[in-house]
Amino acid sequence: ILNVEQSPQSLHVQEGDSTNFTCSFPSSNFYALHWYRWETAKSPEALFVMTLNGDEKKKGRISATLNTKEGYSYLYIKGSQPEDSATYLCAFAAYSSASKIIFGSGTRLSIRP
Amino acid sequence: GAVVSQHPSRVICKSGTSVKIECRSLDFQATTMFWYRQFPKKSLMLMATSNEGSKATYEQGVEKDKFLINHASLTLSTLTVTSAHPEDSSFYICSATNRGASNQPQHFGDGTRLSIL
Repeated sequence: ILNVEQSPQSLHVQEGDSTNFTCSFPSSNFYALHWYRWETAKSPEALFVMTLNGDEKKKGRISATLNTKEGYSYLYIKGSQPEDSATYLCAFAAYSSASKIIFGSGTRLSIRP
Repeated sequence: GAVVSQHPSRVICKSGTSVKIECRSLDFQATTMFWYRQFPKKSLMLMATSNEGSKATYEQGVEKDKFLINHASLTLSTLTVTSAHPEDSSFYICSATNRGASNQPQHFGDGTRLSIL
């Protein structure tokens, strides 16, 4: 059974502060790691898909890093804004699992104005 | 781009009713669509993967006869919950990709909240 874990489960951050959270996944049979942002009453939105060890991707104030050898990815948000409040999901794709991805439980981020 | 529409957004019906949920890709051809279920405070659990023109691949523990999936065209997949019972009450959400590979992002619908009385 593939286990994808995210921590922390929830996070409260003051507006303007930077924050980060973690996704842990199996280090063997790695193919890809996805990050999604899921705002309340909206559909999950793809942020990044990362495939190479050492990958760093950036989208505005949000960036992510990938370590496939040790099985973790960090998502960073710089200068948090109220619109960053959402649940952030990561998902792992194994090399042998065709097209499917396995989701973690998410980190719920709340930004205090 | 990459818009996925899911309908209906909310269903409340009596036990024993069959419910059909539609998932449409509006501006791209979805070779592969996925159906997920989310239990309260849990992650998205993959129910099945559907490829256009072929039978869906169900995950272990998901009843094929209970959750019928049809992917008859490159823009439409449907999930029918047959003879629904209260334990089928849940949040169901679909996603689609245009290349069907797990290194491509999935594009999600808004989800369907199903409540069986």
